[in-house]
Amino acid sequence: EAGVAQSPRYKIIEKRQSVAFWCNPISGHATLYWYQQILGQGPKLLIQFQNNGVVDDSQLPKDRFSAERLKGVDSTLKIQPAKLEDSAVYLCASSFSNSYEQYFGPGTRLTVT
Amino acid sequence: TQLLEQSPQFLSIQEGENLTVYCNSSSVFSSLQWYRQEPGEGPVLLVTVVTGGEVKKLKRLTFQFGDARKDSSLHITAAQPGDTGLYLCAGRETSGSRLTFGEGTQLTVNP
Repeated sequence: EAGVAQSPRYKIIEKRQSVAFWCNPISGHATLYWYQQILGQGPKLLIQFQNNGVVDDSQLPKDRFSAERLKGVDSTLKIQPAKLEDSAVYLCASSFSNSYEQYFGPGTRLTVT
Repeated sequence: TQLLEQSPQFLSIQEGENLTVYCNSSSVFSSLQWYRQEPGEGPVLLVTVVTGGEVKKLKRLTFQFGDARKDSSLHITAAQPGDTGLYLCAGRETSGSRLTFGEGTQLTVNP
């Protein structure tokens, strides 16, 4: 069974530029999560989707971050404009509805210079 | 947001030694999970504990959920170099479905 796919794996941009990350969850998983993991810290939830609806985006910096899951499958996370403190690994995870088990992708490492 | 504190933050031991990692909070969680993360990869779920006082074993790993569901521990017996990685605890809030992660314990097992 294919796991959670993410691209790109690495991205380097300058501050004030924009960037987008893509995630393809495991087939059949209705719930999709985006996490931010800063070096030396645990992952922090940015947004949770149930199908194509937002369940929790309370920790998403909405002035610069946006995310969508239009058809309830793939998702994109965008940062515009990026700041130095956005340098982190962005992890996508998916799960069956109401399941304890989240499956994580390999992440996208973003460096903002 | 409920906070989880992990200790120690870093641990370097020799192969064959035993170790315990702790995860503590002042808040109650409906369940608690332990993950292991290797460089360049996402976290992988090791175990989920739900009941206060619950103990689960996974080969040489023993996980315990505190009676009050505020803390947990991970004990590894006879550690091996393959156990090297970042161990993360994560609690599910009682008021919702959000998973809150601790900052992790970086374990290095030297041959």
